[in-house]
Amino acid sequence: QKEVEQNSGPLSVPEGAIASLNCTYSDRGSQSFFWYRQYSGKSPELIMFIYSNGDKEDGRFTAQLNKASQYVSLLIRDSQPSDSATYLCAVERKDDKIIFGKGTRLHILP
Amino acid sequence: EAQVTQNPRYLITVTGKKLTVTCSQNMNHEYMSWYRQDPGLGLRQIYYSMNVEVTDKGDVPEGYKVSRKEKRNFPLILESPSPNQTSLYFCASSRSTGVGSNIQYFGAGTRLSVL
Repeated sequence: QKEVEQNSGPLSVPEGAIASLNCTYSDRGSQSFFWYRQYSGKSPELIMFIYSNGDKEDGRFTAQLNKASQYVSLLIRDSQPSDSATYLCAVERKDDKIIFGKGTRLHILP
Repeated sequence: EAQVTQNPRYLITVTGKKLTVTCSQNMNHEYMSWYRQDPGLGLRQIYYSMNVEVTDKGDVPEGYKVSRKEKRNFPLILESPSPNQTSLYFCASSRSTGVGSNIQYFGAGTRLSVL
């Protein structure tokens, strides 16, 4: 089982709809969870991080964490063409190492 | 402006010719890392450093060296580059480790081609 798994996509979502990105992880002791956005040819930039079970909202973005199911998700409301990018899920293990998933390509259809 | 600076941004070299990619951060961060990103393989950690003079291997350290003599600098050294090291490299830093602290700030990337 891969440490951090994401569907590679592409995930196509109409403009204005909700985009839902999912990530599962294998290390049950993992403590912090991050979502990064990466435009083609650019470096990753942090969207959100979460470390407690439940939801965390920031503008159009909501991160959801369920440690019992080892599952973290990112919801993007009112999707815009500028949201088209690759979204990387990252997990901080108990030994402080950060493990990245391979990313999900998101395409917002105008 | 808070930033992580990598140089060079683009580099074409030949097999066996030693090279160094520099990385510097101005945020007084303790933790620095090097990653490589390859299509289909995602971001993989090469080496990391928890503080000055403290470095450790990541997931793909073979063929690379690092040093951390100063807190702000973390150069990546390829003593004898090979074509399988052709990749996009990112340096990253974070304030610390532990819950809520390990947010990675990335440099702009170095695209390396080894012929």
